[in-house]
Amino acid sequence: NAGVTQTPKFQVLKTGQSMTLQCAQDMNHEYMSWYRQDPGMGLRLIHYSVGAGITDQGEVPNGYNVSRSTTEDFPLRLLSAAPSQTSVYFCASKGTSGLYTQYFGPGTRLTVL
Amino acid sequence: AQSVSQHNHHVILSEAASLELGCNYSYGGTVNLFWYVQYPGQHLQLLLKYFSGDPLVKGIKGFEAEFIKSKFSFNLRKPSVQWSDTAEYFCAVNGAPGGYNKLIFGAGTRLAVHP
Repeated sequence: NAGVTQTPKFQVLKTGQSMTLQCAQDMNHEYMSWYRQDPGMGLRLIHYSVGAGITDQGEVPNGYNVSRSTTEDFPLRLLSAAPSQTSVYFCASKGTSGLYTQYFGPGTRLTVL
Repeated sequence: AQSVSQHNHHVILSEAASLELGCNYSYGGTVNLFWYVQYPGQHLQLLLKYFSGDPLVKGIKGFEAEFIKSKFSFNLRKPSVQWSDTAEYFCAVNGAPGGYNKLIFGAGTRLAVHP
């Protein structure tokens, strides 16, 4: 199993540009989520999904869109990038029970100029 | 809303010293508690977790944590640290009141171990 994979690893955008961060998992996990990591703030939940066709907002959803058309994939879209979205983005997945541990991807480092 | 506090932002230790990292959460009720570690340039890995039962849980690499419900705490300990423990450590909680789908993280503690 590859686990949780993310692409790209690094990305530089200009303010106002759009892009999609890709996340895929091969563990047949129903639950997937996106976090952003900023210095001194830990990880903050952006959006999550409990299954195909079902998404919900986390702590910091503004400026980000998600969709879940398949169990395997959970892309994160930035419609109009802003410098405040400069961060490291992590995707994670787990089984639907609250007891299951989240498995994290390697991250995408995004810089918005 | 649930929040997680990690009291030490930076910790510097010499090899063989003992480690204790504090973690407190704000909202009581039934919670699951986790400690994750992020080594330089790597993604988060689970160190240990508490769901129920024995409040003293043991994880990988000699780490352990104690859940004290009355203090809303889940402190991480290791009796003797190694240089390879240099990393950032995150405490996290899910469950009450936001639900099990929202994992709330603390700000992290950056540990540097000197040989």
